[in-house]
Amino acid sequence: DAMVIQNPRYQVTQFGKPVTLSCSQTLNHNVMYWYQQKSSQAPKLLFHYYDKDFNNEADTPDNFQSRRPNTSFCFLDIRSPGLGDAAMYLCATTQGIDGYTFGSGTRLTVV
Amino acid sequence: GENVEQHPSTLSVQEGDSAVIKCTYSDSASNYFPWYKQELGKGPQLIIDIRSNVGEKKDQRIAVTLNKTAKHFSLHITETQPEDSAVYFCAARYGNNRLAFGKGNQVVVIP
Repeated sequence: DAMVIQNPRYQVTQFGKPVTLSCSQTLNHNVMYWYQQKSSQAPKLLFHYYDKDFNNEADTPDNFQSRRPNTSFCFLDIRSPGLGDAAMYLCATTQGIDGYTFGSGTRLTVV
Repeated sequence: GENVEQHPSTLSVQEGDSAVIKCTYSDSASNYFPWYKQELGKGPQLIIDIRSNVGEKKDQRIAVTLNKTAKHFSLHITETQPEDSAVYFCAARYGNNRLAFGKGNQVVVIP
């Protein structure tokens, strides 16, 4: 059974149209991460939460926001997607002492 | 922050041969080094990890070695099989349990 679930697997959005990606976890991990992965590149950290304590990376564009309403769910909001935001978006969780558990990702296409 | 370099970027091996991927890291405070396997269209999956108090760890055909003095660690896959073909990412943990990833290595096992 999948422990970190990302929906949808594939998302197509129009240039400039807000889009939300979702992540849920059944592991009850207190830490959740959002990564952006472009083709043939390493995953790049956008945000992470320790419980409800939100942390964004210094170079995460203002166009990206995140919400974590409870332990199980986390959302990534892209306010005005541009062509350069097309990527795989990965959600991951950890309890803090081991490696991350990743979801299968959401591939975002901007048209 | 942490900087992780991964070499080579692509590696082709004959089925049954061994594959070795090397990574270097910059932050001497890093103490946890996981390896992830990513198949096409899927999220990264943790395959093996090593902590800084250990020099080597094995799990069946996979092993990881760590040289703290030189700040490098390597993934060794023996008796490679076609299903080992994937992109492999190394990572190093830094500050507040964040992971910095290498750029990935495309391993192709030729039957």
